[in-house]
Amino acid sequence: DGGITQSPKYLFRKEGQNVTLSCEQNLNHDAMYWYRQDPGQGLRLIYYSQIVNDFQKGDIAEGYSVSREKKESFPLTVTSAQKNPTAFYLCASSLRQGAAEKLFFGSGTQLSVL
Amino acid sequence: GDSVTQMEGPVTLSEEAFLTINCTYTATGYPSLFWYVQYPGEGLQLLLKATKADDKGSNKGFEATYRKETTSFHLEKGSVQVSDSAVYFCALPSYSGAGSYQLTFGKGTKLSVIP
Repeated sequence: DGGITQSPKYLFRKEGQNVTLSCEQNLNHDAMYWYRQDPGQGLRLIYYSQIVNDFQKGDIAEGYSVSREKKESFPLTVTSAQKNPTAFYLCASSLRQGAAEKLFFGSGTQLSVL
Repeated sequence: GDSVTQMEGPVTLSEEAFLTINCTYTATGYPSLFWYVQYPGEGLQLLLKATKADDKGSNKGFEATYRKETTSFHLEKGSVQVSDSAVYFCALPSYSGAGSYQLTFGKGTKLSVIP
C-alpha cells in the first residue's frame, strides 16, 4: 500500500544532542512537509520541499534542518539549538504544491527531552 | 495574513447527537477550504474540502458549506458515533510566494462521543 512512513514513533533527546526523524513516502509525490504539533496550538509548518534538492523554511524553522536528496525521503534534524523540542512531529506529502492539493500525513513521531 | 479560527474544545456529545464545529476564515480572495481529522495516535487525514464559494463538501456523513458572505466553513454531522471521537482541524492554503502555498491550520477541536 502507498503511504508515508515516519520513524521512530517515539524518540528521546538528551541535552545538546541532535536527533533525526525519518520520513519516507512511496506515493511519488513531489512536495513534502514537516509540521510540529503542540497541544492546543494546532499545526505549525517547519520546512517544506517542492522538489528534490530544494526546500524552504516555514514559520518555525529555527533550530531545525532538513535535506531532500531523494524524492521519497525528507528527514528532519532537530538540532541542539532548538531549546523546546518536545512535541509531536508530522510529515506530509502532496502530489504537487498547490492551493487545492490534498495532504497525506504520516502517523507522527513523539519527541521528548530526557 | 490568512488565518482560520475554529471553536475551542473540547466538545463532548452523546451518541446520535447533532454536531457543529464552527470555522471562520480571513483570506484574500476565495481559497479552497478543508477539514482534516486526526484520530488518536495518528496523523491527519482529509475529511472533506470545498474549492469555491457555495460548494458543499461531504464525506462519512459530515458536511460543510463554503459561505463567502459569512466567511465560514462550519462542519456538521446529523448523528455522531463513538468512532467519530477525534480532533478536527479547519485549514486553508496561504500563498507564500514563488508559486507555492502553505496550509494554515486552525488550532483543532477535540470531539469526544460517549455511548
